[in-house]
Amino acid sequence: GAGVSQSPSNKVTEKGKDVELRCDPISGHTALYWYRQRLGQGLEFLIYFQGNSAPDKSGLPSDRFSAERTGESVSTLTIQRTQQEDSAVYLCASSLGVYRGETQYFGPGTRLLVL
Amino acid sequence: KQEVTQIPAALSVPEGENLVLNCSFTDSAIYNLQWFRQDPGKGLTSLLLIQSSQREQTSGRLNASLDKSSGRSTLYIAASQPGDSATYLCAVGSDYTGANSKLTFGKGITLSVRP
Repeated sequence: GAGVSQSPSNKVTEKGKDVELRCDPISGHTALYWYRQRLGQGLEFLIYFQGNSAPDKSGLPSDRFSAERTGESVSTLTIQRTQQEDSAVYLCASSLGVYRGETQYFGPGTRLLVL
Repeated sequence: KQEVTQIPAALSVPEGENLVLNCSFTDSAIYNLQWFRQDPGKGLTSLLLIQSSQREQTSGRLNASLDKSSGRSTLYIAASQPGDSATYLCAVGSDYTGANSKLTFGKGITLSVRP
C-alpha cells in the first residue's frame, strides 16, 4: 500500500513568513510523529499524536511551532514567523499504534529553507 | 537525558568487505532500538528493530545486536555492495512514562562502498 507522504517536498520562504507542512500517514496508523533534521545534526523529536490528541509536545522548540491532526489522518505542522534556524528537513512518521516496539514508517520529508 | 552516539561519522570500504557499524547510548532503560537507512533526498527506511528483551535480529545480509547493560548496539553488514552506500542511523526508544515511541537518534554513519 501507499507509504507516508509529505508535502511540499521543498519549501523556500522568507524570514518572518508562516509555513504549513503536511503529512499523510499510512492508512490505519493511529500514531503519527514529527521530527526535524538540521544540517549536520541528528533527528530531533518534535511531537507525536495518538489519534488526534498530542500527549507529548515536549520537543516543539518554541511557541512558533504548532501541529494539528484531523482524526487519524492528515497532520499539519505550522511554523509561524519563520527564522533562519528553522531551516531543516521535517520528517513525519506513522506507526500502527502506540504500543512499545511498533516500527515507525517515515515519509520522504519536507526540506525547508528560510532565507 | 538519553544520548545516542555513532562513531565514526563516515566510513569508506571496498566492495565485498564485511563491516560493523557501532552505536552507543547513555541510558540503558530502553524498550527498543532501531537501525534505519537514509538515502540522499529520501526518508528513512527501517532495517531492523530489536526489542529490549532481545539480543539480536537478522535480515538478509544484516545483523544487529543489542547489549543493554553496556549501552551498545552494532549493525553488521556482510559482503558489502555499492548499493549499501547510505547513511545508517541508530535510534533508541526510551522508557518514558506515558510516552511511546519517542525515538532518540544518533547523527548517523555515512557509508560509502567502493566498487
